[in-house]
Amino acid sequence: EDQVTQSPEALRLQEGESSSLNCSYTVSGLRGLFWYRQDPGKGPEFLFTLYSAGEEKEKERLKATLTKKESFLHITAPKPEDSATYLCAVNTGANSKLTFGKGITLSVRP
Amino acid sequence: NAGVTQTPKFQVLKTGQSMTLQCAQDMNHNSMYWYRQDPGMGLRLIYYSASEGTTDKGEVPNGYNVSRLNKREFSLRLESAAPSQTSVYFCASSEVLDSPLHFGNGTRLTVT
Repeated sequence: EDQVTQSPEALRLQEGESSSLNCSYTVSGLRGLFWYRQDPGKGPEFLFTLYSAGEEKEKERLKATLTKKESFLHITAPKPEDSATYLCAVNTGANSKLTFGKGITLSVRP
Repeated sequence: NAGVTQTPKFQVLKTGQSMTLQCAQDMNHNSMYWYRQDPGMGLRLIYYSASEGTTDKGEVPNGYNVSRLNKREFSLRLESAAPSQTSVYFCASSEVLDSPLHFGNGTRLTVT
């Protein structure tokens, strides 16, 4: 069974304090790994898709990387507006079903 | 450009009542999905529609039915609501299967 584990469950950072969020996965055949951001009371918002080990994507203060077993979302010099829950999901092509992790709640203090 | 629009935003039902959650997208996407999100659990797929005219079960379809009314609209029906269906329901769409999802802002459903 496909599994996605995100860690830590919650992370509190000071503004400017860089860190990384982890998404580890156990799947039979990866066809894509997705990162989403979810603000309270809103639907998830797409951030990145990664397809193969070694791939990297960047957007503003965020950089996503992928290995054969895990993905990292690196946050450089975060700001309070980066506070949100970050979701990771994997697509194995099995009926095109995405398996989502439980999310990491990030809080950035000014 | 509204994206994915869900109605209603909030709903309270009594056990045994029925209701339909509505979803519409204006991005000309082919695929549409219904997910539920519960505390401490990841998003779980209820049903999806790969293209107009097709629907398929996801991970947790029991107690739900869906209708792909046209390319824009995908509705989710609860025939006889149960307290276990208390959740936040998200509709999503994508250009095709496997491409990134675009989500609505959810319907918060409470069944008493």
